[in-house]
Amino acid sequence: DQQVKQNSPSLSVQEGRISILNCDYTNSMFDYFLWYKKYPAEGPTFLISISSIKDKNEDGRFTVFLNKSAKHLSLHIVPSQPGDSAVYFCAASEAQGAQKLVFGQGTRLTINP
Amino acid sequence: NAGVTQTPKFQVLKTGQSMTLQCAQDMNHEYMSWYRQDPGMGLRLIHYSVGAGITDQGEVPNGYNVSRSTTEDFPLRLLSAAPSQTSVYFCASSPVMGRKFYEQYFGPGTRLTVT
Repeated sequence: DQQVKQNSPSLSVQEGRISILNCDYTNSMFDYFLWYKKYPAEGPTFLISISSIKDKNEDGRFTVFLNKSAKHLSLHIVPSQPGDSAVYFCAASEAQGAQKLVFGQGTRLTINP
Repeated sequence: NAGVTQTPKFQVLKTGQSMTLQCAQDMNHEYMSWYRQDPGMGLRLIHYSVGAGITDQGEVPNGYNVSRSTTEDFPLRLLSAAPSQTSVYFCASSPVMGRKFYEQYFGPGTRLTVT
């Protein structure tokens, strides 16, 4: 049972436009959510996170939105740059097992010049 | 400050062989973990440790053993490799302070093939 789902395996966006990556979850006990970015042959790197007490968190070009009632979060990248081309993983954690992350399958984002 | 290091980068094993994947961190992080990444599956937690001498199972622990004798090192042992263990393995670490969550730092990965 996939508790965290990223239903789009890939996404292609033109440079300068907005990229929107989506993530759905089923476990209502999740209360902390993270996005990781991964380049080929490297480990994932932390991008941005959000606690369940918030509905939005912004860091530069990256904004994460959380809709708890829909069990949905999204990552917005504005404006998209060629260096943003990577695989993006959504991850979630319960407060009780705070460091046990459950990851989605990942979405490969390609930014076209 | 090297962060999280993993060795080897690549490994090919025959079915039934054993080996140890090494992971070390120099950030004095209490928490360390092992994940495997398979196509279409994301990253799945194998084992984790919240400090020296303490380990616990994650989502997919079967076929793997771990130990944590020091804060810095968290090796992952495959006792009898199987083709189903062909995967990319990532080690990660993070600090633990009370109930506050901190993002995990990942190593570069070990690509393992079992034939």
